[in-house]
Amino acid sequence: DVKVTQSSRYLVKRTGEKVFLECVQDMDHENMFWYRQDPGLGLRLIYFSYDVKMKEKGDIPEGYSVSREKKERFSLILESASTNQTSMYLCASSTWTGAKNIQYFGAGTRLSVL
Amino acid sequence: LAKTTQPISMDSYEGQEVNITCSHNNIATNDYITWYQQFPSQGPRFIIQGYKTKVTNEVASLFIPADRKSSTLSLPRVSLSDTAVYYCLVVNQAGTALIFGKGTTLSVSS
Repeated sequence: DVKVTQSSRYLVKRTGEKVFLECVQDMDHENMFWYRQDPGLGLRLIYFSYDVKMKEKGDIPEGYSVSREKKERFSLILESASTNQTSMYLCASSTWTGAKNIQYFGAGTRLSVL
Repeated sequence: LAKTTQPISMDSYEGQEVNITCSHNNIATNDYITWYQQFPSQGPRFIIQGYKTKVTNEVASLFIPADRKSSTLSLPRVSLSDTAVYYCLVVNQAGTALIFGKGTTLSVSS
């Protein structure tokens, strides 16, 4: 089974702190993604990466950066956390399997910024 | 990128068939339609994907009309455990353009 592991389930940080959210996948997938999920807004794409050291902005990249130094690891960085970044963060990886493109998600990190 | 629109919520009873429709008017020629299911405190999980006409697997069917501007996820004989949020998603051929809708919360009662 594909496994996408997020380093923390719950995280509490203070305004202005630099925050790292880590994601590791074990299936050699090319594509990796970071989403945030808020009530009533569904999942919104922050950044994605289609290869090592490559990154592309999603719908809401402001206030975030990412790093992909190794194929299996994709990190989301909040340079200076703010209260409006309190949210559930979901990491995913994907590949084409036969004729299907399937995303596999981690369990999520619930981040609270105080 | 193709935006998707789906109902916010639906209610059903155990044993009924549930159909959830998603609108994706701006879908591109090479885009695929995908549906995910999400339970509380979990990440979304892939249900089904299709390009045109009808696709069926062990848990659901996906109906896509010829113009591909909408799709319908069909869940046969739902049970209480099908209570979840269902997301419609349009995926490009590279698998990198992904717009999730806001999801449909399905509530199944006994």
